[in-house]
Amino acid sequence: AQKITQTQPGMFVQEKEAVTLDCTYDTSDQSYGLFWYKQPSSGEMIFLIYQGSYDEQNATEGRYSLNFQKARKSANLVISASQLGDSAMYFCAMSYGISSGSARQLTFGSGTQLTVLP
Amino acid sequence: GAGVSQSPRYKVAKRGQDVALRCDPISGHVSLFWYQQALGQGPEFLTYFQNEAQLDKSGLPSDRFFAERPEGSVSTLKIQRTQQEDSAVYLCASSLYEGGVTGNTIYFGEGSWLTVV
Repeated sequence: AQKITQTQPGMFVQEKEAVTLDCTYDTSDQSYGLFWYKQPSSGEMIFLIYQGSYDEQNATEGRYSLNFQKARKSANLVISASQLGDSAMYFCAMSYGISSGSARQLTFGSGTQLTVLP
Repeated sequence: GAGVSQSPRYKVAKRGQDVALRCDPISGHVSLFWYQQALGQGPEFLTYFQNEAQLDKSGLPSDRFFAERPEGSVSTLKIQRTQQEDSAVYLCASSLYEGGVTGNTIYFGEGSWLTVV
């Protein structure tokens, strides 16, 4: 079974500082994808960044980067230069079975509530 | 609109009442997903459609939950005889591709917030 663990229920960061949100995963599949989503209070899940299990380089998207350590099964999200608008719930998620075309669902962690302080 | 649209946004139902939640995916998107998100938790997969075919309904919690997508576009999630534990946000998502969930190919709606009293 696939499992995502986010051990930080809440995090605080000062505006303009960097912050790392932790995510570890468990899967026996060789082919999988790792995602980070942002969920503001409005409820919509906003895609931030994606890392494929065979990607050799860590993914980056603007101020977001994914610190992928395959052997440790971790996929931490790093947000640089935090902004007040970054305050939201952040979810790590995993898809699996991509090579067989059966990646039809995402398994989510329990989330981390990030608060950016002015 | 250009995104995934869900209605109603908010629904209060009395216990035992039937509810229907609607999802309008992005035009042309082949795949459609329903997720259930309880308060303070991550979303959990309910069901998946490829066009009009429901290929995976392994996440539906009971036979009171039923989903359909008869013409391969709009989908409805129906909950019969609602119970308090059904209170959650129901998220719909769609993807242009068949089955493959990779990269930024899946788009979520804002959800339907269901409260059962």
